[in-house]
Amino acid sequence: EDQVTQSPEALRLQEGESSSLNCSYTVSGLRGLFWYRQDPGKGPEFLFTLYSAGEEKEKERLKATLTKKESFLHITAPKPEDSATYLCAANAGGTSYGKLTFGQGTILTVHP
Amino acid sequence: SQTIHQWPATLVQPVGSPLSLECTVEGTSNPNLYWYRQAAGRGLQLLFYSVGIGQISSEVPQNLSASRPQDRQFILSSKKLLLSDSGFYLCAWSRDRAADGYTFGSGTRLTVV
Repeated sequence: EDQVTQSPEALRLQEGESSSLNCSYTVSGLRGLFWYRQDPGKGPEFLFTLYSAGEEKEKERLKATLTKKESFLHITAPKPEDSATYLCAANAGGTSYGKLTFGQGTILTVHP
Repeated sequence: SQTIHQWPATLVQPVGSPLSLECTVEGTSNPNLYWYRQAAGRGLQLLFYSVGIGQISSEVPQNLSASRPQDRQFILSSKKLLLSDSGFYLCAWSRDRAADGYTFGSGTRLTVV
């Protein structure tokens, strides 16, 4: 069974305090690893797609990386507006191809 | 560009009442369509997905049903709501096999009272 596990469940940072969010996955034949940001009461918003181990993507203060077993979302010098729930999802091959498996999310709070 | 519309944004319904949530996609053809439920603002549970008109796959046995009467329209329904149906419902679309991931709608907060 395909599984995606995110840690920590919640993370509190001071403004400017860099950290990383983890996404571990167990899927058969990864076809893509996705990161989303979700603000309260809204739908998830796409951030990054990673397709192969070693790949990195950057956007402003966020950088996503991928290994064969996990992905990290690095947040450099975060600001209060980065506070949100961050979700990762895996697109597995085989019969699950096209149905993303989501992790439970990490709730990030950045204090000024 | 492609857009996805989901409505209503908020809904309060009594137990035993019917439900109809609608989702439409613009700017693409033959999208894959999905209904998710999210409890307590956390993980997403896939309820239904559709690869074409009239083609519905159910992921979880429940009190809900889905229909796709048109290529870019996806409807989530219930004949009689239960308290446990409360939650945040999200519609999403993707291209074939979701190689680019999903694009989500803005969600519907359903409270069953």
